[in-house]
Amino acid sequence: SQQGEEDPQALSIQEGENATMNCSYKTSINNLQWYRQNSGRGLVHLILIRSNEREKHSGRLRVTLDTSKKSSSLLITASRAADTASYFCASNSDSNYQLIWGAGTKLIIKP
Amino acid sequence: SQTIHQWPATLVQPVGSPLSLECTVEGTSNPNLYWYRQAAGRGLQLLFYSVGIGQISSEVPQNLSASRPQDRQFILSSKKLLLSDSGFYLCAWRRGGSIREQFFGPGTRLTVL
Repeated sequence: SQQGEEDPQALSIQEGENATMNCSYKTSINNLQWYRQNSGRGLVHLILIRSNEREKHSGRLRVTLDTSKKSSSLLITASRAADTASYFCASNSDSNYQLIWGAGTKLIIKP
Repeated sequence: SQTIHQWPATLVQPVGSPLSLECTVEGTSNPNLYWYRQAAGRGLQLLFYSVGIGQISSEVPQNLSASRPQDRQFILSSKKLLLSDSGFYLCAWRRGGSIREQFFGPGTRLTVL
């Protein structure tokens, strides 16, 4: 079920800077989702973008989707120390009950 | 509102011992339920999913099994644990028939010694 790829695997930036994470997938999708996981905790859904959407915003989060390249990016603007976590993308096809997960990006925000 | 519970939060078990992890969901009916395992610093591996009572789909052949005795209860079991079963186990649910977001429980950290 882990067919997506994310880069970078790890990202360390200063507080206040923007963080960009990328995700690629292999099959056609209905939607792509981003999740956040704090260390030792469950995952929390952040944002969902449909295949017919190109960009979506939620607070400091901006997600883009390029279906021609089968890729997505998550941008966190004005990062905060509390954004330190692992971020995962997951894609869903039209008729599948499963999400296809990326390996995740570990983001560290230095105060 | 919907909530998902998992227990225990942590578990240390000897090799060869049995396992039972429980997950329950409140505030929704006929959810799709999922069991994942996550190795340290890695992504999620889907183990089992269920679209209804008694309906279990297995994704990875191994010594684990799952059962759904009630609509909102999902149990992960093993008769004899292996060292390789150590990991972080996550239960999740999503609305039945939906292909939208999944909602995760807090997870169980299993260490097999």
